[in-house]
Amino acid sequence: RKEVEQDPGPFNVPEGATVAFNCTYSNSASQSFFWYRQDCRKEPKLLMSVYSSGNEDGRFTAQLNRASQYISLLIRDSKLSDSATYLCVVNRRTDKLIFGTGTRLQVFP
Amino acid sequence: EPEVTQTPSHQVTQMGQEVILRCVPISNHLYFYWYRQILGQKVEFLVSFYNNEISEKSEIFDDQFSVERPDGSNFTLKIRSTKLEDSAMYFCASMMGGLGSYEQYFGPGTRLTVT
Repeated sequence: RKEVEQDPGPFNVPEGATVAFNCTYSNSASQSFFWYRQDCRKEPKLLMSVYSSGNEDGRFTAQLNRASQYISLLIRDSKLSDSATYLCVVNRRTDKLIFGTGTRLQVFP
Repeated sequence: EPEVTQTPSHQVTQMGQEVILRCVPISNHLYFYWYRQILGQKVEFLVSFYNNEISEKSEIFDDQFSVERPDGSNFTLKIRSTKLEDSAMYFCASMMGGLGSYEQYFGPGTRLTVT
């Protein structure tokens, strides 16, 4: 079983749509959870950390369910500039990051 | 805003040659990492470095690879004898750690092409 699993997509959505990405992780010792965004042939950029209580940053909302080992990202009011690959990432604090394969999002006009 | 920098942005080398990839982590960060991403695949961990020594390495990080922090600012990855399958994007990352933050920040990467 993969350590971090994501639906690869692509998700093709119109501008203004709400889109949700899901991710599951297999190692219950994982302690830190993140969503990164990666544009084509660029570095992963930290979008947000994910906390047990859930957290929001503008149009982005992340949720964590430790019991189900499940992480989600919701993007509201999609913009063309949101088109990218969204990477679900876990680690154990100072350890290596474990990446999912990413979910590709394409927002069209 | 402080950022991780990497040089060169693109390196082309012949099989069997040695390459050194350079990184300057964010200045007050204590943990340093190298990752790689083969085209079309996911980002994979290579090695982590803390307190002037390797703290963890992956199966990929064999005897052909080494890391060094030669001074207070640079962090290098050396591949002694490159193979075709070493062609990939290599990303350096750094993290403050401790009570500060467990978020890792990535440099723009070095694209390594082995011919």
